[in-house]
Amino acid sequence: EVQVLESGGGLVQPGGSLRLSCAASGFTFSSYAMSWVRQAPGKGLEWVSLIGGSGNNKYYADSVKGRFSISRDNSKNTLYLQMNSLRAEDTAVYFCANSYPGHLWGQGTLVTVSS
Amino acid sequence: DIQMTQSPSSLSASVGDRVTITCRASQGIRNDLGWYQQKPGKAPKRLIYAASSLQTGVPSRFSGSGSGTEFTLTISSLQPEDFATYYCLQHNTYPYTFGQGTKLEIK
Repeated sequence: EVQVLESGGGLVQPGGSLRLSCAASGFTFSSYAMSWVRQAPGKGLEWVSLIGGSGNNKYYADSVKGRFSISRDNSKNTLYLQMNSLRAEDTAVYFCANSYPGHLWGQGTLVTVSS
Repeated sequence: DIQMTQSPSSLSASVGDRVTITCRASQGIRNDLGWYQQKPGKAPKRLIYAASSLQTGVPSRFSGSGSGTEFTLTISSLQPEDFATYYCLQHNTYPYTFGQGTKLEIK
């Protein structure tokens, strides 16, 4: 089955760190760019980051640049989002998706930044 | 950054109505635009890619048009399952940006 599945969300204090994972299956993972998109409670969608298929090209939203780092392990078919210096405004459901994003989305993982 | 201005922000309509949602880009983005539908508690679903191409499996009552800075999503005859929130996304220039969303509600 073609799918992506996020994990790693949870409660973290302001200033803390968290790493999200996104396990992909059913497609040639290394052939696709992958994206992270987030949605704060009751708010709209926000594009966060994208990484090229080889992992060499990485792009970020201004709101997370310098704090978040996207990476991938094509041998494990897994996408990551390392989130540092977390703020209350980073509280959101984080989705991974294929491409910019395209048609394949995970169910999301909730990150709550609170003391 | 490219700003995507979506209108209206909310819309009340009835089953069978024809509805149009508009997205305007702050600068030209060719046809590098997608439309997404999201229902409460669910992941978004892409309906349209490349501004006017219908995603496989999406009903033909959905259509997209436009190029450059002005884009539209049209639902030709609303069905009960179409009541949701719709977003546009430009993927022409980094950082990519979504419109603020249009909530389509039952009248």
